[in-house]
Amino acid sequence: DQQVKQNSPSLSVQEGRISILNCDYTNSMFDYFLWYKKYPAEGPTFLISISSIKDKNEDGRFTVFLNKSAKHLSLHIVPSQPGDSAVYFCAAGPQGAQKLVFGQGTRLTINP
Amino acid sequence: EADIYQTPRYLVIGTGKKITLECSQTMGHDKMYWYQQDPGMELHLIHYSYGVNSTEKGDLSSESTVSRIRTEHFPLTLESARPSHTSQYLCASSQLGQGGYTFGSGTRLTVV
Repeated sequence: DQQVKQNSPSLSVQEGRISILNCDYTNSMFDYFLWYKKYPAEGPTFLISISSIKDKNEDGRFTVFLNKSAKHLSLHIVPSQPGDSAVYFCAAGPQGAQKLVFGQGTRLTINP
Repeated sequence: EADIYQTPRYLVIGTGKKITLECSQTMGHDKMYWYQQDPGMELHLIHYSYGVNSTEKGDLSSESTVSRIRTEHFPLTLESARPSHTSQYLCASSQLGQGGYTFGSGTRLTVV
């Protein structure tokens, strides 16, 4: 039973445009959500997070939106840059970010 | 520079060998985790520790074992490697109250 799902295995976006990555979850006990970015042969690096008491969190070019009723979150990157090309993982867990559950990842490719 | 170190980065080993994957962190984090990831798949939690002498199995059954004798060190051992153990192993750490994990660079294990 997959509790965190990223249904798009890949996404291709033109440089300068907006990238939107989506994530769905099923466990109502999750109240902390994170996005990680992973380059080949490296470990994931933390990008941005959001608590269930918020519906939006911004950090520079990155914004995460949370829709609790739909159990859906999304990551917006604008403008997209070539260095954003990587695999993005959505993760969820209880407050305190212990024992996170990860999605399968979405491979984002930014085309010049 | 990385605050959490995994060695080796790559390992090719024969069936039946005993191996230990090393993970050390310099951040004084209480919590440490081992995740297993196959290409294009989600990260699966196989072991975690909330402190010295505390270890628990994760959501994905694994034949590996772990120990936590020192706060900074969380090695993973396979007593008898098999081809089904071929995967990437990611170590992470976190501190309660601080968002997200810090991941190591991973060990890509191939058992032939």
